[in-house]
Amino acid sequence: GIQVEQSPPDLILQEGANSTLRCNFSDSVNNLQWFHQNPWGQLINLFYIPSGTKQNGRLSATTVATERYSLLYISSSQTTDSGVYFCAVERNTGNQFYFGTGTSLTVIP
Amino acid sequence: DAGITQSPRHKVTETGTPVTLRCHQTENHRYMYWYRQDPGHGLRLIHYSYGVKDTDKGEVSDGYSVSRSKTEDFLLTLESATSSQTSVYFCAIRGDSIAEAFFGQGTRLTVV
Repeated sequence: GIQVEQSPPDLILQEGANSTLRCNFSDSVNNLQWFHQNPWGQLINLFYIPSGTKQNGRLSATTVATERYSLLYISSSQTTDSGVYFCAVERNTGNQFYFGTGTSLTVIP
Repeated sequence: DAGITQSPRHKVTETGTPVTLRCHQTENHRYMYWYRQDPGHGLRLIHYSYGVKDTDKGEVSDGYSVSRSKTEDFLLTLESATSSQTSVYFCAIRGDSIAEAFFGQGTRLTVV
């Protein structure tokens, strides 16, 4: 399978701070997604981003497929951003997603 | 939100009993997946389906079986539950031309 490493494993931020989460993967991938798991356990789609850059409000993501990494940027963090952020990759459509072990983010007021 | 419903949402069962979890979708998507989530492991694939009656194993398939007799339903069965199968189980779906996967709300299973 593909190895997916996320860093940092844990992150504590003051409300209003910015952060960068990283996802490294060990092989070429066709698809990459970022998810946010909220404190109630729900997995929420953030970005489908196999390459390039996307932005959605305070969040943005960049994937450099040739160098096998993706970055998730959170600006002006809010307490509602707390939870676990997962990166998932796959080689071909229809095959399994390989998940990283996540970055646990806590935003304190 | 993608139309995915998992049932039950919570279940406590005894070691050695059979358990079936259900994933129902209203999106008519071709691909369906079962994952388990455990602390320190992220999400790991148990089984997946690429069409009616077409299924394949994932990385942690031992002790699990699946069935897909119609597009909208994907069943995960633990033939004889063990304590190591205590976990949160997630179903995911994806369309043929849509590479983005969507997850259900999860089922928390406790085997005592």
